[in-house]
Amino acid sequence: DADVTQTPRNRITKTGKRIMLECSQTKGHDRMYWYRQDPGLGLRLIYYSFDVKDINKGEISDGYSVSRQAQAKFSLSLESAIPNQTALYFCAPPPFAQPQHFGDGTRLSIL
Amino acid sequence: SQELEQSPQSLIVQEGKNLTINCTSSKTLYGLYWYKQKYGEGLIFLMMLQKGGEEKSHEKITAKLDEKKQQSSLHITASQPSHAGIYLCGADMRGYSGYALNFGKGTSLLVTP
Repeated sequence: DADVTQTPRNRITKTGKRIMLECSQTKGHDRMYWYRQDPGLGLRLIYYSFDVKDINKGEISDGYSVSRQAQAKFSLSLESAIPNQTALYFCAPPPFAQPQHFGDGTRLSIL
Repeated sequence: SQELEQSPQSLIVQEGKNLTINCTSSKTLYGLYWYKQKYGEGLIFLMMLQKGGEEKSHEKITAKLDEKKQQSSLHITASQPSHAGIYLCGADMRGYSGYALNFGKGTSLLVTP
């Protein structure tokens, strides 16, 4: 089983829609992270969580929100999607969780 | 913020040739991670380097960490088409956003026959 599972793998939606990306992990990591990747820009941090009650904004949190429903589940929401949020989104455990396995990513397209 | 510079941005090499990708930090490195990504797919963890002078190898890929220079290099020997993809370095700059990694923009590698 994958350490980190993201759903959906692909999503196409329209501007203004609310969308949720889900992440679940099986290794009991306290810390979890959401990144987005745009072509030529590497990965940028959106939000991170130290535990269920500790949520923190990352570099590019505007337009996003997260919820940590349980240690194993960390969801990312776009309240009102806009086209420049079209990107590849990754959920990840902490880097010191070796071997570190990112989720396979969610490819999100906003029309 | 982009505090990690990767070079080159893209690379085309002939199969069998050696190549090197560099990752330079503007701040002290507490750990440096290398990943490979097939286009549009997930990240595959390659190696983690933590100590100055540390060198690790996996198959034909070797990574080194020069702590004093705040730089890491990834060297591929006798490249193969299977090495093609995007290589990303990520740095633990300690204290940055809950110990999340700060990533470079990536190096795109194409290996030609």
